[in-house]
Amino acid sequence: DSGVTQTPKHLITATGQRVTLRCSPRSGDLSVYWYQQSLDQGLQFLIQYYNGEERAKGNILERFSAQQFPDLHSELNLSSLELGDSALYFCASSVAFADTQYFGPGTRLTVL
Amino acid sequence: QQQVKQSPQSLIVQKGGISIINCAYENTAFDYFPWYQQFPGKGPALLIAIRPDVSEKKEGRFTISFNKSAKQFSLHIMDSQPGDSATYFCAASGGSARQLTFGSGTQLTVLP
Repeated sequence: DSGVTQTPKHLITATGQRVTLRCSPRSGDLSVYWYQQSLDQGLQFLIQYYNGEERAKGNILERFSAQQFPDLHSELNLSSLELGDSALYFCASSVAFADTQYFGPGTRLTVL
Repeated sequence: QQQVKQSPQSLIVQKGGISIINCAYENTAFDYFPWYQQFPGKGPALLIAIRPDVSEKKEGRFTISFNKSAKQFSLHIMDSQPGDSATYFCAASGGSARQLTFGSGTQLTVLP
């Protein structure tokens, strides 16, 4: 158990809908990273937050957004969902900008 | 642009054999190279990591070899066991945000 929690574990929704994925980092970790894992794109970095502030963006679509709250949990919001958004979404946390990132169990999103 | 190339895509090894997975990177700003292990339905878990000032790092049965001039690194799993059957990802990070760039993954099967 990495100490990173993610909810929900599974999410099934329809095209055009909006969903929110939640992540709680390990106790004491200030950085949260979001990654998408799909069969065709592999594991890709989406976005990073540090202590409530956005620090880096990767291949994140404009339909996707994220935020980190004062209690350090983070939410990834996915809107106007398309079939191609079906994937595993992982969050990872680290102490500030430390190299070691601890991954959560992921949320499997299925868009029908 | 794929910045970390991983091979092979799949690998089958007999119990007790040596598993070797290779990665090559392009971005010379990368300064941290971890390997992650992922079991089905789980998030990636850090296995072992190396920095470019070291040519080799060993932890138990797992060894990373690093060739800075060739921009290549590899994972060696000695005395491979059926419990090692998983997907292995190499990754690299650099810069202030420390987000990970992953290879495409290697599905390892260790036959009993």
